[in-house]
Amino acid sequence: AQKVTQAQTEISVVEKEDVTLDCVYETRDTTYYLFWYKQPPSGELVFLIRRNSFDEQNEISGRYSWNFQKSTSSFNFTITASQVVDSAVYFCALRNAGGTSYGKLTFGQGTILTVHP
Amino acid sequence: ETGVTQTPRHLVMGMTNKKSLKCEQHLGHNAMYWYKQSAKKPLELMFVYSLEERVENNSVPSRFSPECPNSSHLFLHLHTLQPEDSALYLCASSQDSGGAYNEQFFGPGTRLTVL
Repeated sequence: AQKVTQAQTEISVVEKEDVTLDCVYETRDTTYYLFWYKQPPSGELVFLIRRNSFDEQNEISGRYSWNFQKSTSSFNFTITASQVVDSAVYFCALRNAGGTSYGKLTFGQGTILTVHP
Repeated sequence: ETGVTQTPRHLVMGMTNKKSLKCEQHLGHNAMYWYKQSAKKPLELMFVYSLEERVENNSVPSRFSPECPNSSHLFLHLHTLQPEDSALYLCASSQDSGGAYNEQFFGPGTRLTVL
């Protein structure tokens, strides 16, 4: 069975602070994919990043960066110099590469991020 | 313009009503999904369609009935719902269901309230 845990239910920061959202996953598969999605108040989930289990390089995209640590089964997400528009619910998700997965994403509970001006 | 649209955005229905949720994707994808998002619970996958064929039914009660007439449209027919079915219902699509790395693109969801 696979599981994704986002231990931080809610985080509140002041604009321009850096913030890290934690994600820990469990899977028995050796090949899998990790995702981060953002859900703004409008409702739709916006895809942010995909990471393959065999690629542990960290990635930076503007103010966003991701730290994938296979040894600790973690895939943390950092927003640098946060802005009010970053306020949203952020979901970490896992998908195994097995043949019968049919695209099934296992989501974490989500972390509500509020950035105050 | 979003690639995945859902209508209606909000729906209030009684337990004896019959209603349908509609999803349309404009991305040329072959796989479509229904998810349920309840308060304080992780997103739950309900159904997966690949090339208009249902490939997964994730133990969803029969009062939810999906329909995929073509690869661009997906419906969720609702009947005799319970108040605990109140949730945000999200539709998603991806290039295909078998490619494990294919990210899913989500619609804005339908906020359903069952009275």
